[in-house]
Amino acid sequence: EAAVTQSPRSKVAVTGGKVTLSCHQTNNHDYMYWYRQDTGHGLRLIHYSYVADSTEKGDIPDGYKASRPSQENFSLILELASLSQTAVYFCASSVSYEQYFGPGTRLTVL
Amino acid sequence: QQQVRQSPQSLTVWEGETAILNCSYEDSTFDYFPWYHQFPGESPALLIAIRPVSNKKEDGRFTIFFNKREKKFSLHIADSQPGDSATYFCAASLYGSSGNKLIFGIGTLLSVKP
Repeated sequence: EAAVTQSPRSKVAVTGGKVTLSCHQTNNHDYMYWYRQDTGHGLRLIHYSYVADSTEKGDIPDGYKASRPSQENFSLILELASLSQTAVYFCASSVSYEQYFGPGTRLTVL
Repeated sequence: QQQVRQSPQSLTVWEGETAILNCSYEDSTFDYFPWYHQFPGESPALLIAIRPVSNKKEDGRFTIFFNKREKKFSLHIADSQPGDSATYFCAASLYGSSGNKLIFGIGTLLSVKP
């Protein structure tokens, strides 16, 4: 079965600090995605990647960067964390239509 | 701008009833319409999906009805069970060479009372 892992599972960060969320998949999937989930907004796409060393902007990329150093790993970087970035972040991978989600990272920015 | 609209935001049904969740979309080029469910503390998981070549897709107690002309699709959960209580998200996408960018609705919190 598809396996997507995320680390850390939860994190408390200070405003203005740098945060890196990591995602690792063992599915051999080409496509990887980062979403954030907020109450009242569902899941929204931040960044995605279809090949190593390349990332694309999703629907809400402002304040976030992404890095795909290998097929298996995809990171989300908050250079200057802000209160508004408190949310649950999900990573997903896919080979075609169906996306497999990781367990999520709960980020709290204080 | 929200491109996938979902309603209702919450729904309560009795065990054995049919729950009906609705979604509409704007972009006529979308070619994939999945429904995900999410239990508290867990990640979203694919429940069922449909492509616009069909107007109905069934999987056990779960059925998607799709109306391409009206740009609407719905999820019917027959014989609802308390274990179906979860948040359900519809989504839509256009699959391309750069992947499958899903646009999600805001979710419907379903509660099934025994």
